[in-house]
Amino acid sequence: SSELTQDPAVSVALGQTVRITCQGDSLRSYYASWYQQKPGQAPVLVIYDKNNRPSGIPDRFSGSSSGNTASLTITGAQAEDEADYYCNSRDSSGNLVVFGGGTKLTVL
Amino acid sequence: EVQLVQSGAEVKKPGESLKISCKGSGYTFTNYWIGWVRQMPGKGLEWMGIIYPGDSDTRYSPSFQGQVTISTDKSISTAYLQWSSLKASDTAMYYCARGLGVRGVFDPWGQGTLVTVSS
Repeated sequence: SSELTQDPAVSVALGQTVRITCQGDSLRSYYASWYQQKPGQAPVLVIYDKNNRPSGIPDRFSGSSSGNTASLTITGAQAEDEADYYCNSRDSSGNLVVFGGGTKLTVL
Repeated sequence: EVQLVQSGAEVKKPGESLKISCKGSGYTFTNYWIGWVRQMPGKGLEWMGIIYPGDSDTRYSPSFQGQVTISTDKSISTAYLQWSSLKASDTAMYYCARGLGVRGVFDPWGQGTLVTVSS
């Protein structure tokens, strides 16, 4: 079982804002990273170190953290944002890495 | 352009051995970690382990310790994931990714290698 917990599925109306969350004890000590995976494609890093975006990632993607919960927010969701989203971070020991179970985002 | 290119799809029988590869280019290979991630059909991402090509420091998820071996050949900027005896349950897509430290920040990712184990 994963040490990071995500809701299996979330939906959002086109152009609206959606928050995807990731919970785990290790998030009290370590930042989460977020990955987007579209069907048949490799994952892509969208947010790291709480709220840093790699080049090429739209600024509608942002990250935040509070206590044991990290969040990925998409402000003004687009049809192309429909994908699976995974968080990851260090585990409780700090020596290894763990992924959340993933959240399937549907844009209505 | 930083790029990771993985070896092609494999079809193997249970009990056979296998070594898949991940070649890095566009950056100094020895300065970044390489991680391996499994994705079983229709399932989520699972972190398998990570290696630092500079000194071969290697760490495994407890779930994969003893089941696979991660290695590198820094002379050709290539990381490897190998099995000595495959099982049907090893059927999955395997991704390598460049790690920014050991904190789980992976960018970019390879295109994936599909491993199918079937009798």
